[in-house]
Amino acid sequence: EAGVAQSPRYKIIEKRQSVAFWCNPISGHATLYWYQQILGQGPKLLIQFQNNGVVDDSQLPKDRFSAERLKGVDSTLKIQPAKLEDSAVYLCASSFSGPGELFFGEGSRLTVL
Amino acid sequence: AQSVTQLGSHVSVSEGALVLLRCNYSSSVPPYLFWYVQYPNQGLQLLLKYTSAATLVKGINGFEAEFKKSETSFHLTKPSAHMSDAAEYFCAVRGYSGGGADGLTFGKGTHLIIQP
Repeated sequence: EAGVAQSPRYKIIEKRQSVAFWCNPISGHATLYWYQQILGQGPKLLIQFQNNGVVDDSQLPKDRFSAERLKGVDSTLKIQPAKLEDSAVYLCASSFSGPGELFFGEGSRLTVL
Repeated sequence: AQSVTQLGSHVSVSEGALVLLRCNYSSSVPPYLFWYVQYPNQGLQLLLKYTSAATLVKGINGFEAEFKKSETSFHLTKPSAHMSDAAEYFCAVRGYSGGGADGLTFGKGTHLIIQP
């Protein structure tokens, strides 16, 4: 069974530039999550989708971050404009509806110079 | 709201020794609890989960954890450490809100070092 796919794996940009990350969840998973993991810290939830609707985006910095999940499958996370403190690994995860485990992709590592 | 505290950002044990990684949680509802492992430059892999069935949960790679409600703890153990266990370990909690199951809330992680 294919896992959660993310791209690109690595991205280096200058501050104030924009960047987009893509995620393809496991087939049949209704719920999709984006997490931000800063070096040395645990992952922090940015946004949670149920199908193509937003369930929780309370920790998403909406002045610069946006995310969408068209047709309830793939998702993109965009940062515009990027700041130095956005340097992190962006993890996508998916799950069935309910309280079970999340399945994570390998992440997209962003470096902002 | 849920939260997780992992005691000890770094834990060092000798190969063959007992591994004990500590996790305490706070939750306003009966929690679902998880341990994940992360190897360098990789995503998170589920070790084990507690979802209100047996309080002693067995996971992959010889790890197990015991849910103790009275102590609000979910400590991870392994009887005999192996070099391949060196990694970052995260405890996480999941609760419910009006919209259904919440996303996972993670602790800050514990870096496990195995001494030869």
